[in-house]
Amino acid sequence: QVQLVESGGGVVQPGRSLRLSCAASGFTFSSYAMHWVRQAPGKGLEWVAVISYDGSDKFYSGSVKGRFTISRDKSKNTLYLQMNSLRADDTAVYYCVRGSWELHSSSTYWGQGTLVTVSS
Amino acid sequence: SYELTQPPSVSVSPGQTATITCSGDKLGEKDACWYQQKPGQSPVLVIYEDNKRPSGIPERISGSNSGNTATLTISGTQAMDEADYYCQAWDSSVVFGGGTKLTVL
Repeated sequence: QVQLVESGGGVVQPGRSLRLSCAASGFTFSSYAMHWVRQAPGKGLEWVAVISYDGSDKFYSGSVKGRFTISRDKSKNTLYLQMNSLRADDTAVYYCVRGSWELHSSSTYWGQGTLVTVSS
Repeated sequence: SYELTQPPSVSVSPGQTATITCSGDKLGEKDACWYQQKPGQSPVLVIYEDNKRPSGIPERISGSNSGNTATLTISGTQAMDEADYYCQAWDSSVVFGGGTKLTVL
């Protein structure tokens, strides 16, 4: 069955970096666009970034552009999110999401998320 | 930037029909999706392309989208439907509504 397992979250100081990973299994990873979506504690969903099925196209929200980088490794069936210059308002559960580029198809599927806490 | 507006909360009695709205400029011209999120769990897609249900989603959950408003309707609401619901669309990027907490009284 489809599985998306995020890892790499934790507590990090403001200004530092962190890399999240999302291990995919149960489907053809290279056939789908992949997204990162985050949710601050007690808040709603916020889209972060998307990468095309082959990694050739990437797009970011304004709040993370220039600080975060999305990437994927086909050989490892893994999605990544490199997060630099972290700020307190980046604190959230980060979800890995499989889906179309516009995230509007029946193939949409969410991982369980990994918590990132930015605090001194 | 594009915005989707949802009521913060909706209450419904068991067995009754719950209606959750999502408003955005010319939303009816876009594909709307809905997600259900229960406490401590990740979101689950319940409606895509305005009114289509993924496999495993009960028929009592339905959607529509016209004009500036997308609507999620849950008929015969059960206690298990109590959750946060988020609408989502695409307008130059993925956009989520602020979420609606559905309470089954």
